[in-house]
Amino acid sequence: RKEVEQDPGPFNVPEGATVAFNCTYSNSASQSFFWYRQDCRKEPKLLMSVYSSGNEDGRFTAQLNRASQYISLLIRDSKLSDSATYLCVVIHNDYKLSFGAGTTVTVRA
Amino acid sequence: GAVVSQHPSWVICKSGTSVKIECRSLDFQATTMFWYRQFPKQSLMLMATSNEGSKATYEQGVEKDKFLINHASLTLSTLTVTSAHPEDSSFYICSLESGRGANTQYFGPGTRLTVL
Repeated sequence: RKEVEQDPGPFNVPEGATVAFNCTYSNSASQSFFWYRQDCRKEPKLLMSVYSSGNEDGRFTAQLNRASQYISLLIRDSKLSDSATYLCVVIHNDYKLSFGAGTTVTVRA
Repeated sequence: GAVVSQHPSWVICKSGTSVKIECRSLDFQATTMFWYRQFPKQSLMLMATSNEGSKATYEQGVEKDKFLINHASLTLSTLTVTSAHPEDSSFYICSLESGRGANTQYFGPGTRLTVL
């Protein structure tokens, strides 16, 4: 079983729609969680950290469910510029990072 | 966040040649840098952790004699792919940790290597 698993998508949504997807992790001792955004052929860039209480940054909302071992990302009022691959990143108790393979989101006009 | 540069951004080489990739931290002194590899539609895989002034720590399955890492200063780490083969074609990305409490990593723009 992979340490971090994501639905690869693609999620094709119209502008203005809400899209949400999850990421599951296998190591219950994982400490920190992040969502990164990666555009085609570019490096990943930090989108937001994921806190236990859930957190919001503009149109983006991240949630953590430790009991079920998953994190989620919700994008409201999708923009064309939100089209990208979203990588789930989990830090374990030995401070190593594990990356998901990414969820591709395509927002259409 | 920290600014990380990589050079070259892309390289095409013949099988059997060696390729050196540079990773520079432009505004942050990084005692530790990380090298990742990403194949198409796959996740980033950590290859090695580069420590300034000491030997790199390689992940299981990564050949240290094939992927030579030199972290000679706090702002520069290099990865040399020796005797490259087509299967080494990939997107190589370096990163450094900001050390600002959240273990946030900042990535270089990546180097796309194509071995013919």
